[in-house]
Amino acid sequence: GQQLNQSPQSMFIQEGEDVSMNCTSSSIFNTWLWYKQDPGEGPVLLIALYKAGELTSNGRLTAQFGITRKDSFLNISASIPSDVGIYFCAGPTGNQFYFGTGTSLTVIP
Amino acid sequence: DVKVTQSSRYLVKRTGEKVFLECVQDMDHENMFWYRQDPGLGLRLIYFSYDVKMKEKGDIPEGYSVSREKKERFSLILESASTNQTSMYLCASTSLVGFSNQPQHFGDGTRLSIL
Repeated sequence: GQQLNQSPQSMFIQEGEDVSMNCTSSSIFNTWLWYKQDPGEGPVLLIALYKAGELTSNGRLTAQFGITRKDSFLNISASIPSDVGIYFCAGPTGNQFYFGTGTSLTVIP
Repeated sequence: DVKVTQSSRYLVKRTGEKVFLECVQDMDHENMFWYRQDPGLGLRLIYFSYDVKMKEKGDIPEGYSVSREKKERFSLILESASTNQTSMYLCASTSLVGFSNQPQHFGDGTRLSIL
């Protein structure tokens, strides 16, 4: 199945730094989703975007639905150690979901 | 809050065994999914179901089957377990609004080891 292109693949940052990651697709999506997966756990939904150009925040997290509907961005401000994990983008189409390959985030105290 | 419950967090089985992974959701969702997750390969869809007794193959159905006898329960079956089926298995569910899937909600995963 189709995979979304997500970058970067991994990030090592100092506590307090801001983080940016993005997801692109060759196809148009009407919804973009961002999940976080802690080690050994299932993915948890962070933010859902439903409209091109939409900018949505969830605490220190901000995500944007690209104008072209082929991309999305996730920013984390002032990172803390518990931000560690894998972040996935996802897009539903028809009866299926497509997932990014994930960005592994390590926060160094 | 939506709750998706997978019956086991960790499971160890032997090659050739028949293995059952159970998933239950409490939100009356129409659609349920089984994925496996492997390092470097991301989430890969095994099977999904959009209604009771209905099932559709995903990207990697070989060696697996599924059962959905009740709306809230979706079972993944490894007919004859093999070592290459050692993986993290994730169940998810979602509802339909019109023709659009709402965001999926995931269980905590089952880490399955086949010896």
